[in-house]
Amino acid sequence: GQNIDQPTEMTATEGAIVQINCTYQTSGFNGLFWYQQHAGEAPTFLSYNVLDGLEEKGRFSSFLSRSKGYSYLLLKELQMKDSASYLCAVRDGDYKLSFGAGTTVTVRA
Amino acid sequence: ETGVTQTPRHLVMGMTNKKSLKCEQHLGHNAMYWYKQSAKKPLELMFVYNFKEQTENNSVPSRFSPECPNSSHLFLHLHTLQPEDSALYLCASSLGQENEKLFFGSGTQLSVL
Repeated sequence: GQNIDQPTEMTATEGAIVQINCTYQTSGFNGLFWYQQHAGEAPTFLSYNVLDGLEEKGRFSSFLSRSKGYSYLLLKELQMKDSASYLCAVRDGDYKLSFGAGTTVTVRA
Repeated sequence: ETGVTQTPRHLVMGMTNKKSLKCEQHLGHNAMYWYKQSAKKPLELMFVYNFKEQTENNSVPSRFSPECPNSSHLFLHLHTLQPEDSALYLCASSLGQENEKLFFGSGTQLSVL
């Protein structure tokens, strides 16, 4: 099966930067997704990487290294509303999607 | 608002009850999914439908029975559940079935007593 690892919890201060790492081992690779899920709400799409490098979208950036099986989601200028769970998901060579267990980020004032 | 609506938001049922979860998407997507989300665990794919046809059953026990009458609606019929089935059940849709960007509903929080 597929193996997706990400830290369980992270805490940071408002205005700071947090980097959420995700490592994966899959049979083939057809892209990596990041989703944000606030407590009691639907997961929502944040980013998609299929080629190596950094994708920037406002305060959020996502990086991918296919050779290392590694991605990170970078959250800059943290705001209280960024407190949520962040899910890493990888699509394998058969286009099957596997999720990590999620990283709960807590932003403190 | 993601364009995917799930009802009910919360459900408590006994092990002998029969209940159904409903999902509706207003996005014109062709693929719909049921996922199970348990605390501290990865999302588990249960079923996939593409153009109303079931294309994947991820070894789900028969006490969970999906139904997809059209591309916009998806049901999950529940019968004789176990306490370990208590979880958040998420519906999702995507334009095609190759697991591109998923749009999720807010889920049904199910408690089996």
